Amino acid sequence: EVQLVESGGGLVQPGGSLRLSCAASGFTFDNYEMNWVRQAPGKGLEWVAYISSRGHTIYYADSVKGRFTISRDNAKDSLFLQMHSLRAEDTAVYYCARDGSVTEWLVPFDHWGQGTLVTVSS
Amino acid sequence: QSVLTQPPSASGTPGQRVTISCSGSSSNIGRNYVYWYQHLPGTAPKVLIYRDNQRPSGVPDRFSGSKSGTSASLAISGLRSEDEADYYCASWDDSLKVFGGGTKLTVL
Repeated sequence: EVQLVESGGGLVQPGGSLRLSCAASGFTFDNYEMNWVRQAPGKGLEWVAYISSRGHTIYYADSVKGRFTISRDNAKDSLFLQMHSLRAEDTAVYYCARDGSVTEWLVPFDHWGQGTLVTVSS
Repeated sequence: QSVLTQPPSASGTPGQRVTISCSGSSSNIGRNYVYWYQHLPGTAPKVLIYRDNQRPSGVPDRFSGSKSGTSASLAISGLRSEDEADYYCASWDDSLKVFGGGTKLTVL
């Protein structure tokens, strides 16, 4: 069974930093591309960042570019999101989500974790 | 403001058919596949439709997707109380993934 378990969320002051982790199990992690997606309170889903299976290709949403860094450790089946210069508008539940496939067709976000809450407030 | 536009709400009675729209542009829906997700509060989102109109195994055939030009739709037939959830469309815009703003479906 595919499992994604996020951790590292919490309360942080504006301008502060936080590192989120996502532990993967139940599949061959280094075969899959991964993402971070967030949901602010009362708002919709927002894609945040993408990383290819070996980490060679990375994309960010404009809202976090230059402040967030996505990375992975395939030896430890783990995905990370390093967040700097946090703002109140970064307050959200952060999900890690896998890009899977059905036969040869890509299915983005085919499995999700339960999320970890990040609150940016003084 | 989301790149993909969805109505904020939709509703129907049990047994009815409801449709949720997703409007984009030539840089996203017009040239990329559309995906649909169901999100129940407190749970992880679930993929309902991939590649515009394909259902993963385990998704009931009451759910169907379609696309024309720069717009897509999710239809739910035989509406059930457990379908009450938030629904999101998603696609790519250049290399970046984008979501619609979400539609809250209420089963009356």
